[in-house]
Amino acid sequence: GAVVSQHPSWVICKSGTSVKIECRSLDFQATTMFWYRQFPKQSLMLMATSNEGSKATYEQGVEKDKFLINHASLTLSTLTVTSAHPEDSSFYICSARDPRGVGSSAETQYFGPGTRLLVL
Amino acid sequence: DQQVKQNSPSLSVQEGRISILNCDYTNSMFDYFLWYKKYPAEGPTFLISISSIKDKNEDGRFTVFLNKSAKHLSLHIVPSQPGDSAVYFCAATDKLIFGTGTRLQVFP
Repeated sequence: GAVVSQHPSWVICKSGTSVKIECRSLDFQATTMFWYRQFPKQSLMLMATSNEGSKATYEQGVEKDKFLINHASLTLSTLTVTSAHPEDSSFYICSARDPRGVGSSAETQYFGPGTRLLVL
Repeated sequence: DQQVKQNSPSLSVQEGRISILNCDYTNSMFDYFLWYKKYPAEGPTFLISISSIKDKNEDGRFTVFLNKSAKHLSLHIVPSQPGDSAVYFCAATDKLIFGTGTRLQVFP
């Protein structure tokens, strides 16, 4: 299947700092990427849909000014957690939709390995 | 409010036996379901899906059953192999509303 990478795989930062997480589709161009968050013992929750060249669409309850998403190219989307606080500590995972894929849009989404963020 | 629930956080099965992973959902409007497998340090990978117009979908050792009246689906793996040891997530709709996952361990 298609390959999606994330960087960094884990990050520890001080409260009040900003953290940028990168999501790259390595062998395909993705017009649409997705960002998810998973708190301990909870499910992966969709945060936002990132569309290349346009503004991201955020899910209800997700602060767009806190979680800045940039999808500047067809292979890269970034999520910046601004002024991070301990409650933002979570596992952040991205996925990218492969337009070459056959099947539903969900079936053609490929996930990155995730980024674990710890805010002290 | 958890719309997709996997009530068993873990399951241990002997190699060669059947593994049955369960998933319940609350919204009767959900019409499409998927199962994903996740190994440590990797992202979830798509396994199998089912549309609500069906009650069963089979792909090799993996079969998904859907009981719409009970709002319940299950993933059967038979025969189970040690390489199947992973966390399994069910998800609903094309928007991927995920359950919390079940960790399957297949022992020799």
